[in-house]
Amino acid sequence: SAVISQKPSRDICQRGTSLTIQCQVDSQVTMMFWYRQQPGQSLTLIATANQGSEATYESGFVIDKFPISRPNLTFSTLTVSNMSPEDSSIYLCSVEEREQFFGPGTRLTVL
Amino acid sequence: GIQVEQSPPDLILQEGANSTLRCNFSDSVNNLQWFHQNPWGQLINLFYIPSGTKQNGRLSATTVATERYSLLYISSSQTTDSGVYFCAVAGAGSYQLTFGKGTKLSVIP
Repeated sequence: SAVISQKPSRDICQRGTSLTIQCQVDSQVTMMFWYRQQPGQSLTLIATANQGSEATYESGFVIDKFPISRPNLTFSTLTVSNMSPEDSSIYLCSVEEREQFFGPGTRLTVL
Repeated sequence: GIQVEQSPPDLILQEGANSTLRCNFSDSVNNLQWFHQNPWGQLINLFYIPSGTKQNGRLSATTVATERYSLLYISSSQTTDSGVYFCAVAGAGSYQLTFGKGTKLSVIP
């Protein structure tokens, strides 16, 4: 299975600022996804990161708030923009190789 | 979209006991996965099981796709089994996973 890393592993940010999360995979993959897990909750899909084109966002998530880049088949970034305390969550990337495998997550706290 | 329900929401076991976790889903699926989220937040793949039965050590899983449910069995539970168990499915023709709300398992010595 693919080995997935994320940076940063955790961060504490001030409201109104932005944070970019990186996801690196050790092999080329077609499908990459970004999920959010709010405190004590389940995982919710934010978007599918498409290589060479705009990401496909799920209902309730917009590009202005969560811009995503996918410059190649091994890397993607998710930016959380203009943050508020409600954005405090774990953000996880995943890849599809018949089944989905997840990165270790980025734990974000917004003050 | 597809709905996923897990039961029970919480489960407390004595070490050594067995348990069964259930996942019901509302439509045909081409992917069903069970995950264990450990206390550090890492999601660990347990089973990829859109149909049939699989076993891995003390864990086993069965999915009856025609009846739209899956079961995860944990035998001889250990304290390291504690955490949240998630069932996630992708509907026919989709890659996107929809997660259930999870079962929080606490195994006490």
